[in-house]
Amino acid sequence: QQPVQSPQAVILREGEDAVINCSSSKALYSVHWYRQKHGEAPVFLMILLKGGEQKGHEKISASFNEKKQQSSLYLTASQLSYSGTYFCGTEYGANSKLTFGKGITLSVRP
Amino acid sequence: NAGVTQTPKFRILKIGQSMTLQCAQDMNHNYMYWYRQDPGMGLKLIYYSVGAGITDKGEVPNGYNVSRSTTEDFPLRLELAAPSQTSVYFCASSYSGRSEKLFFGSGTQLSVL
Repeated sequence: QQPVQSPQAVILREGEDAVINCSSSKALYSVHWYRQKHGEAPVFLMILLKGGEQKGHEKISASFNEKKQQSSLYLTASQLSYSGTYFCGTEYGANSKLTFGKGITLSVRP
Repeated sequence: NAGVTQTPKFRILKIGQSMTLQCAQDMNHNYMYWYRQDPGMGLKLIYYSVGAGITDKGEVPNGYNVSRSTTEDFPLRLELAAPSQTSVYFCASSYSGRSEKLFFGSGTQLSVL
């Protein structure tokens, strides 16, 4: 079941903050975050696991609310390089495969 | 390190033609995946492999075939190409299949006309 990402698009000025969300109607085992720039491959940002473990980018902040089956990615003091499409991927069990959301386009303007 | 290498980068096929998308990784990863990406739809899993000789279907396997004869290589075969297979195809790999980061190749833009 495909996770739902919100908002659909975000436009920021450099230095502004943003929060992007990923939610599921099924119980989550883990949430993965990737960023993709136009014409390039997705690049790993972070994994958040049930129980609180996190793996990933030191400069990226994210949360995983197990009760709400939701994850949020926090982009603070945004830079031009943050622009791209952000995908969340969800796992529903130890043996399930990643299911990706449709993505959120984030544009950071000078 | 090369990481995950995909070839070709671009290809145009006529309806009914066949082709193989190549994928190779040099990280000794056990798991390999093929995804397709259509505009605004995210990444959909086509096939995956947990090791040499073992493959399994993903979410959208129809019209595709895969094989995994070595740890390094995971080719994707399109038989009788159809316009619905116009997409960007990404190969990815991970050390294990459980909550591990995926390393993606640079993608193949395929158009079927």
